[in-house]
Amino acid sequence: RKEVEQDPGPFNVPEGATVAFNCTYSNSASQSFFWYRQDCRKEPKLLMSVYSSGNEDGRFTAQLNRASQYISLLIRDSKLSDSATYLCVVPPYSGAGSYQLTFGKGTKLSVIP
Amino acid sequence: EPEVTQTPSHQVTQMGQEVILRCVPISNHLYFYWYRQILGQKVEFLVSFYNNEISEKSEIFDDQFSVERPDGSNFTLKIRSTKLEDSAMYFCASRRVDEQYFGPGTRLTVT
Repeated sequence: RKEVEQDPGPFNVPEGATVAFNCTYSNSASQSFFWYRQDCRKEPKLLMSVYSSGNEDGRFTAQLNRASQYISLLIRDSKLSDSATYLCVVPPYSGAGSYQLTFGKGTKLSVIP
Repeated sequence: EPEVTQTPSHQVTQMGQEVILRCVPISNHLYFYWYRQILGQKVEFLVSFYNNEISEKSEIFDDQFSVERPDGSNFTLKIRSTKLEDSAMYFCASRRVDEQYFGPGTRLTVT
């Protein structure tokens, strides 16, 4: 099983729609989980951190299911500006140590007018 | 809001030349990273740096690469003899606890 797996998409949704991305991870010892977004030819930008069961920030909700080892990202009321690639990142361990991030190709979202 | 900065934004160099990419991490961060992204591919880890030494490096980070923190604010990546395949976006990142923040990147083009 790959460390992190995401549906590559693309997801094409109309403005105002609700869209959800799922991500599964293999390391049951992982404690921290992140969603980044990356616009074309730009840096990854931290969108949300998930440490417990979930996190909510405005239109964005991240949920963690440790038993099934997946995290999800829900975007409500999609805006054109939400068009980007969304990257699920699960570091190998938390606290001290290198803590380098492993990125997949992410899920591409296009919000259509 | 503090942010990671990188210079230059774009560097063009000839094969075999040395390049130095510069980064200024967020000031109270202790862990520093370099990643790269070849066009159309995923972001790849190169090296992590803590307490003035490399803590981990990937297979990509061979003897042609080196990192340095020459003073209290800058963090540099040097490529000694560039190859065509080094053409990529190079991102610097820093963290204090868990969350890593990325700089805007340097686009390196090797001709």
